Amino acid sequence: AQSVTQLDSHVSVSEGTPVLLRCNYSSSYSPSLFWYVQHPNKGLQLLLKYTSAATLVKGINGFEAEFKKSETSFHLTKPSAHMSDAAEYFCVVSDLSNTDKLIFGTGTRLQVFP
Amino acid sequence: DGGITQSPKYLFRKEGQNVTLSCEQNLNHDAMYWYRQDPGQGLRLIYYSQIVNDFQKGDIAEGYSVSREKKESFPLTVTSAQKNPTAFYLCASSIGTAEQFFGPGTRLTVL
Repeated sequence: AQSVTQLDSHVSVSEGTPVLLRCNYSSSYSPSLFWYVQHPNKGLQLLLKYTSAATLVKGINGFEAEFKKSETSFHLTKPSAHMSDAAEYFCVVSDLSNTDKLIFGTGTRLQVFP
Repeated sequence: DGGITQSPKYLFRKEGQNVTLSCEQNLNHDAMYWYRQDPGQGLRLIYYSQIVNDFQKGDIAEGYSVSREKKESFPLTVTSAQKNPTAFYLCASSIGTAEQFFGPGTRLTVL
């Protein structure tokens, strides 16, 4: 069965420093992977997605993620954090038994300090 | 302006009551989904529908019911059989295997 593990429940950074949010996945095949962001009391917004094309995926707001099959990882990075990046981030994998279904990680809360 | 709307934003329920959460989309998406979100947890799938007049149970369907009479609408009823309904409920839609688009959510509180 597919699954995702977000390795940190909370990450704190200073404004202007790099961001790294870690995600490992479990899948027998090459999956589709997504990162979503959720601001407080809001819905989820898609940051980026990997669907077996380029392994380095660029998303919105300066975020990017690299698919590493050998490490079964899909970590999210940003070179320089902004105060508006403070939110909850979810790593998501598609369910290969039913590709209409998504499997969500438990989320990483990103805090950005001035 | 295309998107997904959910109403109400906040909903309060007394013990033993059924309540219905609305979800409407004008994106012309075939598939629609309902998720439940609890603090510190990811989203859990309640029900999903890939086509009008058809829907399937997700991972936590007990105590919930849905209907899909129109492509644009996918209401969720939280019944009195759901013993712990206080949560944030999110509706989403998609075209096939593409990414899902989410509504703004409804926060349900049991009094």
